Parts: sequence; C-alpha cells; structure tokens
Amino acid sequence: SQTIHQWPATLVQPVGSPLSLECTVEGTSNPNLYWYRQAAGRGLQLLFYSVGIGQISSEVPQNLSASRPQDRQFILSSKKLLLSDSGFYLCAWRRGSGNTIYFGEGSWLTVV
Amino acid sequence: RKEVEQDPGPFNVPEGATVAFNCTYSNSASQSFFWYRQDCRKEPKLLMSVYSSGNEDGRFTAQLNRASQYISLLIRDSKLSDSATYLCVASYLGDSNYQLIWGAGTKLIIKP
Repeated sequence: SQTIHQWPATLVQPVGSPLSLECTVEGTSNPNLYWYRQAAGRGLQLLFYSVGIGQISSEVPQNLSASRPQDRQFILSSKKLLLSDSGFYLCAWRRGSGNTIYFGEGSWLTVV
Repeated sequence: RKEVEQDPGPFNVPEGATVAFNCTYSNSASQSFFWYRQDCRKEPKLLMSVYSSGNEDGRFTAQLNRASQYISLLIRDSKLSDSATYLCVASYLGDSNYQLIWGAGTKLIIKP
C-alpha cells in the first residue's frame, strides 16, 4: 500500500529564518506531488506541483520554492520566512493515471 | 466568483439527525468530484468520490447534478464523530495538467 509522510509536524521559526519541509511517498513510483498551504479558516491553496524529478510548477509567486531531488521526495523551502508564511502546509500525492489525491499529515508553521 | 463554493457553516445538528450540504462549481468541464473530511488541525482525508449516478457508502450519500453544477453530501443518523469540516473538490484536465479546485469547506458540528 502507498503511504505519504511529511515532517516536521510542527515548527516555530523567527522571521527571516530558512525553512525546509520534507515529504516522501512510499509504495508507488512516479507520483504527481503537491504542496498546499491552508491558512486558518481558509481553503487549500496550491503552491507547487511536480510530475517528475526536477519538474516543478509554481502556482503562486512568493518567497517559497520546491524541489524534487528524487522520484518520491518533495521538499518545500524558503531562504527567509515572512510572518505571512504561517499556516498549515500539506504535501499530497496522486497516481499519474489516477484522479484521487492523498495528503500527508501536514506541518504547522508559525513564523514569529 | 469562486470556482467551487461551499456554505462555510457551521451547521449545528443534533445527534441522529440527517444533514445535507451542497457544493457548487463553475467550470462545466469538471470531470471528477470528491468529498473530503478534515478534522481540526489534521489533514483532509478522502470521504468518497461522487459518481454521476450518485453513490452511497453506509450513512453517506453523494449526488452530482451536472445540469445545475453542484454536488451534495447527505449524512443520515449523524454521529458525534461526524463533526468535522467537509471539503468538496472538482477536477478537470487543463491545457497541460490535471487541475483540482477546492472548496473552502463546510463545518459540521454534531451535538448530543
């Protein structure tokens, strides 16, 4: 069966500090991978998606970046966090031929 | 106008009652539809897909009305554990990729 994990689960970071959130998927190959952000009481905002290694599409211009160094690894990064980067970050995957998306456990980021 | 709209609620419903909520979508090219359940501070989890002919899973029934461009979720004999936020999502194949459009969610509170 397929599983998805992301970490860390919770982090508090000062403004201007860097960020790295990691996500891995097991039990499948060549998944489509996604990073979403969900602000408090708001809907899911797609940040990045990837259809393959090194292929990243950005949906929203911001100070975040994403990388996919391996087939089942997706990383969300920032060089300098802003207060507005606070939120719930969700990694997700979808089988290339499928239409159902599955989420990791999420990472709560508070920028102070 | 949002592409996928939901009544944010909250819907306050007594235990054992039947509750229904709708989700409207604006893109007539939408092909697949889903309901997700999201507990407080947790990741969304797939509740059920929505098929053209309607489908049922235990106490949950999902319907799709393409003519009026909405999907619905009916919960019968509601339980305290049904309290959550319910997200609807519509998908379609864009120019170069598979698009998922999320609603902001409907909050449901089941009261004893």
